[in-house]
Amino acid sequence: IAGITQAPTSQILAAGRRMTLRCTQDMRHNAMYWYRQDLGLGLRLIHYSNTAGTTGKGEVPDGYSVSRANTDDFPLTLASAVPSQTSVYFCASSDSLGANVLTFGAGSRLTVL
Amino acid sequence: GQNIDQPTEMTATEGAIVQINCTYQTSGFNGLFWYQQHAGEAPTFLSYNVLDGLEEKGRFSSFLSRSKGYSYLLLKELQMKDSASYLCAGLNSNYQLIWGAGTKLIIKP
Repeated sequence: IAGITQAPTSQILAAGRRMTLRCTQDMRHNAMYWYRQDLGLGLRLIHYSNTAGTTGKGEVPDGYSVSRANTDDFPLTLASAVPSQTSVYFCASSDSLGANVLTFGAGSRLTVL
Repeated sequence: GQNIDQPTEMTATEGAIVQINCTYQTSGFNGLFWYQQHAGEAPTFLSYNVLDGLEEKGRFSSFLSRSKGYSYLLLKELQMKDSASYLCAGLNSNYQLIWGAGTKLIIKP
């Protein structure tokens, strides 16, 4: 089934540890995104990529980094996790940036203690 | 600033009709999206409006008034499976999505 795969589904992490959330899509979409979702807040964009080899900062990029070595993969790295990064993280993709429908992954629930 | 406002929670009865409102303020405007998100799951696309008026898609319809900065999602013949959060998102002039916090819809038998 075409779509987006995220891993891990859930993770508990000690503060200060490094963590990479994986995201892979098989739809050959050009644009990919990382969002975080917190209770009472709308989805907030962390980083995005409009094509392989390029990335951009979203609304809340501090403490996070991404890479886009190829079309399919878009990992999100927390270099040194802090408790405020406790959240549900969604990876999404679309055919291109702009007025395109987003397809979301199932999410990764991260708890930083 | 940019902002999307929608009610936090609504309750409706199975078989009835419910309207979920959304007001938006964005830097420029390139359309308004509605997504559905069941608890613990990913958001899924429902509708996109860029011109004024009503777009109907089965039991779901979405309305846009650009002059009022207003949209609504209308759900007819409510079913228990419609219990979910409904996310409103405005697309600004930079093609950046600005998301509301979502409206949790509770359907009662």
